[in-house]
Amino acid sequence: GAVVSQHPSRVICKSGTSVKIECRSLDFQATTMFWYRQFPKQSLMLMATSNEGSKATYEQGVEKDKFLINHASLTLSTLTVTSAHPEDSSFYICSARVSQVNTIYFGEGSWLTVV
Amino acid sequence: QKEVEQDPGPLSVPEGAIVSLNCTYSNSAFQYFMWYRQYSRKGPELLMYTYSSGNKEDGRFTAQVDKSSKYISLFIRDSQPSDSATYLCAMSLSGGYQKVTFGTGTKLQVIP
Repeated sequence: GAVVSQHPSRVICKSGTSVKIECRSLDFQATTMFWYRQFPKQSLMLMATSNEGSKATYEQGVEKDKFLINHASLTLSTLTVTSAHPEDSSFYICSARVSQVNTIYFGEGSWLTVV
Repeated sequence: QKEVEQDPGPLSVPEGAIVSLNCTYSNSAFQYFMWYRQYSRKGPELLMYTYSSGNKEDGRFTAQVDKSSKYISLFIRDSQPSDSATYLCAMSLSGGYQKVTFGTGTKLQVIP
């Protein structure tokens, strides 16, 4: 299946700093990527839909100024958590849509801990 | 009412058993149906995807879609301890930039 690479897998940052998470589609072009957040023992919560070359569409309740998403190319989308706080600590997962089969593949996820 | 309903489990079965995982949904416009497996602290892995109604088999896994009942199932034959994970059903509308809607996941434990 399609490969989606997410980096870093784990990151610890200080409160008030910003951290960037990258999501790359390695063997296909992804016009659409998705960013999710997952709390322990809960399902995936869609944060935003990222379309190449245009602004991301954020879900209700997600602060677009805090979670900056950039989809500059067909193989790369980035999520930047700005001015991170301990409550932002979570598991962040990206996915990319494979147009030909209309399904999505996930990255391995990134654990963010804000101290 | 949630758009997609999935029993969270946990579901415990002995090794070798047949496992049945199910989801119901309310939006009759869903066309694409997927099952993902998620191991603890990892991203979900695509297991099966089907379009519209019918069955699809891949090794020990069989996915069924009954659009008339708005019900999908994943069967695992000869279950193994390595199948222990959380299984997420997912579905989407056809084409375009439509987002995928997930169930909450069922935690499965296969006991040796």
